[in-house]
Formats: sequence, C-alpha cells, structure tokens
Amino acid sequence: EADIYQTPRYLVIGTGKKITLECSQTMGHDKMYWYQQDPGMELHLIHYSYGVNSTEKGDLSSESTVSRIRTEHFPLTLESARPSHTSQYLCASSEGTQGRSGNTIYFGEGSWLTVV
Amino acid sequence: KNQVEQSPQSLIILEGKNCTLQCNYTVSPFSNLRWYKQDTGRGPVSLTIMTFSENTKSNGRYTATLDADTKQSSLHITASQLSDSASYICVVSDRGSTLGRLYFGRGTQLTVWP
Repeated sequence: EADIYQTPRYLVIGTGKKITLECSQTMGHDKMYWYQQDPGMELHLIHYSYGVNSTEKGDLSSESTVSRIRTEHFPLTLESARPSHTSQYLCASSEGTQGRSGNTIYFGEGSWLTVV
Repeated sequence: KNQVEQSPQSLIILEGKNCTLQCNYTVSPFSNLRWYKQDTGRGPVSLTIMTFSENTKSNGRYTATLDADTKQSSLHITASQLSDSASYICVVSDRGSTLGRLYFGRGTQLTVWP
C-alpha cells in the first residue's frame, strides 16, 4: 500500500471559488507530481517537484499552482475555479525520477473536482 | 510523435477466464514500460515495470510481455476474478529527458462477470 494521501476525495464548488487540493506522503520521497485525468482519457502531468522549494510545470498547461515547502506536502491551488477545471486530480510520488527504471510511482486515491 | 495505443478499449469476460490486453507504442528512445491497474474512482497501482532487456515479467496472475523490436506489449490475466474489474493502463517512459517523461495510454476497461 502506498502512503500517499489526498484530500478532499470529492469536491463540488461554485465558479470563481479558490480551492486547494492537499497531498501528503510519508515515504520520504523527494519527487512529487500532480496529474490530471478526465474520464476515459489518459493522465497528463501538470506539475512536478524534485524537492523542497522546487516546482515545475508539466506537459499540460494548467491554471493551477503548486508549492513545496515541506518534503511530505505538495498542495495544488486553483485561485478562481471554472467549469473547465472539472476533472480528477491525482497526486503521485517516487523515490527517484519518475521515468527511470526501477522507480515505482505511487499514486494517491485522487481528488474529484466539479465546478458548477 | 510519441504515443501509446491500447486495445481493446473495453473488454467483458466471465470469471475464471483468461484475457490478454495489448499496448503498442511509438515512444523513442525507449526506457521502460509499465502496466498499472486503476479501480474506478481510485489512483493507479503499479503491476509491472519492464526495461528494454526484459521480455516477460509476472506479478501473481498478471504476466506482462515486451517486444522492444516491434514496440508491443501485452498483459495477460489468468483465471480472472471479479476484483480484476478495472482499467489497465500502459505507460511508456523515454530516456531522452531529465524528467524521464511518461506517456500514458487511455487504458483498457476490463469487466469480469460472475
């Protein structure tokens, strides 16, 4: 079992609201990631971090922002939610770089966001 | 263009039967290929990771094969159980970037009926 946790699991909010999706891992991993996944579609990397105070944008452009003040914590924030942000957001972590052989990527349970 | 294509898109089988899921990729330069199981509404869970030199890797009733020459992989599930109902995602990594970029397939949705 992966020790990576996301909250909330499900969230319905109104347009224009600010929301923060929380992600924490207790495995001591330096590398953490945020993916976005629409139903029946592939995962897309939107943010990643190699360690404290390190954040980078991923392959898919996203209006969200992230921070990495502590190793175990990697929250994602939407300053002003829109219906187009409705999706599943998956947090993940790995001991080494995600693509390198031997580095298992552990995913959280996901946060389902619906913006109305 | 680096892509990962999975087939079939969906599959229904009876409990106890075997099945094989396919993954074709065009990712280059190739680093490794992973199969993940994703239950509905949950995060993906790793099943296998294979590098260029590995042809077969097993994890219980799951056996993955890799043909790096034809850029094809398969996931064989033996003696299926109701709990195998899930989406199975093929993920290919390249070795041409520092991040080790991952390319995800859209998954095969497997349903096991009693």
